[in-house]
Amino acid sequence: GAVVSQHPSRVICKSGTSVKIECRSLDFQATTMFWYRQFPKQSLMLMATSNEGSKATYEQGVEKDKFLINHASLTLSTLTVTSAHPEDSSFYICSARDETGKHEQYFGPGTRLTVT
Amino acid sequence: AQSVTQLGSHVSVSEGALVLLRCNYSSSVPPYLFWYVQYPNQGLQLLLKYTSAATLVKGINGFEAEFKKSETSFHLTKPSAHMSDAAEYFCAVTPSGNTPLVFGKGTRLSVIA
Repeated sequence: GAVVSQHPSRVICKSGTSVKIECRSLDFQATTMFWYRQFPKQSLMLMATSNEGSKATYEQGVEKDKFLINHASLTLSTLTVTSAHPEDSSFYICSARDETGKHEQYFGPGTRLTVT
Repeated sequence: AQSVTQLGSHVSVSEGALVLLRCNYSSSVPPYLFWYVQYPNQGLQLLLKYTSAATLVKGINGFEAEFKKSETSFHLTKPSAHMSDAAEYFCAVTPSGNTPLVFGKGTRLSVIA
């Protein structure tokens, strides 16, 4: 089946620094990827829709200048958390939509971000 | 707008007992419905999905779910629970395959030996 990878799986950074998270579709092309955030013991909340070659669409309440999304190719989307604060600590999960046939979404394994 | 309600944030069953996880949805159009499982510190794994074909959907690991339009429900069941089924389960809805998923709050399943 289709595979989506995320890198890194875990990252610890200091307050004020920036962190980049990569989401890759390994065996299919994805013009659309989605970024979700999950707080401990809670559900997934959609942050933004990443579109290849165009600007991302952010959900209400998500700061686009803080969470920078770049979808430069059909297999890679990146989420950069800028000027990280401890409250940005969370589990970030991406999904990629397979454009062929089933239009199914496949989820990455997630990235655990801890800001100290 | 679509929404999902999962009744019961925590369900506990004995090993070998029936598993029933409840999901009710709200959708203005015929929905696509999904059940995902999440193990600690991992991503989501698709268990099964309903996409307007058969109303009884069979998934992986012995799980199945039945789409009931009259009840706006999509409950997840498994006849006999295994210890390895202990995890967090999420129901999700989308109006089409092209739009992001809306997730329920999740149900944590515990299996007691």
